[in-house]
Amino acid sequence: GAVVSQHPSWVICKSGTSVKIECRSLDFQATTMFWYRQFPKQSLMLMATSNEGSKATYEQGVEKDKFLINHASLTLSTLTVTSAHPEDSSFYICSAERGGSTEAFFGQGTRLTVV
Amino acid sequence: SQELEQSPQSLIVQEGKNLTINCTSSKTLYGLYWYKQKYGEGLIFLMMLQKGGEEKSHEKITAKLDEKKQQSSLHITASQPSHAGIYLCGADYQGAQKLVFGQGTRLTINP
Repeated sequence: GAVVSQHPSWVICKSGTSVKIECRSLDFQATTMFWYRQFPKQSLMLMATSNEGSKATYEQGVEKDKFLINHASLTLSTLTVTSAHPEDSSFYICSAERGGSTEAFFGQGTRLTVV
Repeated sequence: SQELEQSPQSLIVQEGKNLTINCTSSKTLYGLYWYKQKYGEGLIFLMMLQKGGEEKSHEKITAKLDEKKQQSSLHITASQPSHAGIYLCGADYQGAQKLVFGQGTRLTINP
């Protein structure tokens, strides 16, 4: 089956620093990847749609300058949380769209803690 | 109001009992996904429903999508402690695997 690998699975960073999260489709090409965020005791909320070779499409209320998304290849999308603050602490998870498949393939998620 | 409503938000059942979780959409669905999650961990794919009236089963879990493709239910028969977790329904409205999630149902199984 299709595999999406997300790295790191957890990260702790200091306030003011930037953190990069990678999402890779290991055995298929993904022209589109999605980034979600989950707050404690809440559901997953779509942050942005990452399109290979073009700018990401952000959902309303998501700061594009804060959450930088790069989708430079068909197998890799990255989410960079810039100048992280404690309120950015959350669980981030990506999914990849596989052409010809109706199933959404999710990464394992990244737990970010900003101290 | 939310595009996708999931109920109940929390459910506590005794081991061995049956239970049902519902997911209702305000719009017609292209597809409906069910996932299980232990909070803060990745999603475990359970089932995906796409056709009106479709029903799928995996072990003791059955999911159905109504004919209008706006409502889905997840039914667990003879619940076990391993069924405990958070169940999420995800709606695909465009056929693009871009999902809108319900609020989640936290399921606790008491021995």
